[in-house]
Amino acid sequence: DSGVTQTPKHLITATGQRVTLRCSPRSGDLSVYWYQQSLDQGLQFLIQYYNGEERAKGNILERFSAQQFPDLHSELNLSSLELGDSALYFCASSVDPEVETQYFGPGTRLLVL
Amino acid sequence: AQTVTQSQPEMSVQEAETVTLSCTYDTSESDYYLFWYKQPPSRQMILVIRQEAYKQQNATENRFSVNFQKAAKSFSLKISDSQLGDAAMYFCAYRSGGMDSSYKLIFGSGTRLLVRP
Repeated sequence: DSGVTQTPKHLITATGQRVTLRCSPRSGDLSVYWYQQSLDQGLQFLIQYYNGEERAKGNILERFSAQQFPDLHSELNLSSLELGDSALYFCASSVDPEVETQYFGPGTRLLVL
Repeated sequence: AQTVTQSQPEMSVQEAETVTLSCTYDTSESDYYLFWYKQPPSRQMILVIRQEAYKQQNATENRFSVNFQKAAKSFSLKISDSQLGDAAMYFCAYRSGGMDSSYKLIFGSGTRLLVRP
């Protein structure tokens, strides 16, 4: 158990819908990263937050957004869902961005029908 | 841009034997970190081992060790005394260590390791 929690574990929804994925980092970790794992794109970095502020963006679609709250948990919002958004979404955390090791949560498996 | 390549989609090893998974990367940076993550059927991403580029000594963690060849930009993972529980996808990952605004992990495509009893 990495100490990073993600909810829900599984999510099934329809095209055009909006969902919110939640992540709680390890105790003491200030930095949160979101990654997407899909069959065709592999593991890709989406976005990073540090202590409530957006730090870096990767290949994140405009339909996707995220935020980190004062209690340091983070949410990833996916809207206008398409079939191709079906993937495993991971959250990872580290003490701060310069600490190299990121610990991953169990992931949220999203299926868009 | 940095890239990570894992050229072995699948590897097979007999239980108790040794196997080596290959990884190469491309970067112009001198300061970086390399990782191997394991993803078992549960899909959890588990850190196996990490290597700092500035360290010449190869990292080891119990039965897991790496062969880090900085000049060749190669970072292979050796698993000794393979166990059935080692069966998983293994991902090689790169992270910039410089004063980059992003410390994202860049992953290879993965190698599926099968362990034969």
